[in-house]
Amino acid sequence: AQSVTQLGSHVSVSEGALVLLRCNYSSSVPPYLFWYVQYPNQGLQLLLKYTSAATLVKGINGFEAEFKKSETSFHLTKPSAHMSDAAEYFCAVSPTGGGNKLTFGTGTQLKVEL
Amino acid sequence: EAGVTQFPSHSVIEKGQTVTLRCDPISGHDNLYWYRRVMGKEIKFLLHFVKESKQDESGMPNNRFLAERTGGTYSTLKVQPAELEDSGVYFCASSQDPGLAGDTQYFGPGTRLTVL
Repeated sequence: AQSVTQLGSHVSVSEGALVLLRCNYSSSVPPYLFWYVQYPNQGLQLLLKYTSAATLVKGINGFEAEFKKSETSFHLTKPSAHMSDAAEYFCAVSPTGGGNKLTFGTGTQLKVEL
Repeated sequence: EAGVTQFPSHSVIEKGQTVTLRCDPISGHDNLYWYRRVMGKEIKFLLHFVKESKQDESGMPNNRFLAERTGGTYSTLKVQPAELEDSGVYFCASSQDPGLAGDTQYFGPGTRLTVL
């Protein structure tokens, strides 16, 4: 069975500072990996995804994530936080064999302070 | 192009009542998924439709939950009778083809269900 661990349910950064949201997965084979963001009163929006091509994946709004098989990690980063980045972020995995059922982490609420 | 829509956005009902949630997927998406997030917990998969057929319903909690997708278009999720532990946010998502590498699921805004 697959599982996802997001370290830190709440992360606070200053505007302009580095954003680092951690995600570790557990899977018998490397899965597909996703980061979704949920802004207040909106649905989940895909930020980026890893599908076994390049290990460094670039997404929307300046976010990127690096797949590290040896560490079973897929941490999300952004060099400089903006107030508009305040939202809840979810890491998710799905099996590569099809079916596409997403398994989510518990989410990380990002707060950006002036 | 319209995204995934869900109705209602909020529903407050009493224990023992019935509630029906509706999801309209993106036009042309054969695959439709239901997920649920109980407060403070992770978003959990409930079931997956391919057109009108249930492909995977392994996440459905019990037989008080009934999902349908007549005609392969919109889907409904009925909870009857509702219990306190059914409270949470119910998300619907749709996608084109799970056979594609990392096929993207597009999510609706969710229905917040509160059972009193």
